[in-house]
Amino acid sequence: NAGVTQTPKFRVLKTGQSMTLLCAQDMNHEYMYWYRQDPGMGLRLIHYSVGEGTTAKGEVPDGYNVSRLKKQNFLLGLESAAPSQTSVYFCASRRRGPQETQYFGPGTRLLVL
Amino acid sequence: AQSVTQPDIHITVSEGASLELRCNYSYGATPYLFWYVQSPGQGLQLLLKYFSGDTLVQGIKGFEAEFKRSQSSFNLRKPSVHWSDAAEYFCAVLKNDMRFGAGTRLTVKP
Repeated sequence: NAGVTQTPKFRVLKTGQSMTLLCAQDMNHEYMYWYRQDPGMGLRLIHYSVGEGTTAKGEVPDGYNVSRLKKQNFLLGLESAAPSQTSVYFCASRRRGPQETQYFGPGTRLLVL
Repeated sequence: AQSVTQPDIHITVSEGASLELRCNYSYGATPYLFWYVQSPGQGLQLLLKYFSGDTLVQGIKGFEAEFKRSQSSFNLRKPSVHWSDAAEYFCAVLKNDMRFGAGTRLTVKP
């Protein structure tokens, strides 16, 4: 099992450009999450999904959109990138149930110029 | 507001010394509690978790944590730190979703 994978690992964008980050998991997990990590702020939840076809806003959703068309994939989109979106993005997944462990991907480093 | 607080941004300990990393939460009821470790350039790895029962939980790599309801705390401890423990440590709580503290960076002196 590959676990949670993220594509790409690193990307540089210009302000106003768009891009999509892909998260894939092969553990048949129902729940998937997108976080951003900034120095001194820990991880903040952007959006999450509790199942195929469903998404919900997290703590810092503005400027991002997500889609969960397939159970194993969770896409994070930036329609018009801003320098404030320079960050490291982590995807995570877990099974349904409050006592299930959350597994993290290796991260995507995004730089917006 | 509901939050997770790690009061120490950076801690330095000597190799072989004991370690305690602090975590406090402010939720109405006891949430599920976690400690994660992140090495530079890596994702997060689960060290241990608390759901209920025994308030002292054992994790991987020789770490343990104690849940104290009266103090709303879930502090992480290790009796003897190794150089390879140098990393960033995150406390997290799960209520409706997972919320993380800002992290504590651990430096280990030789």
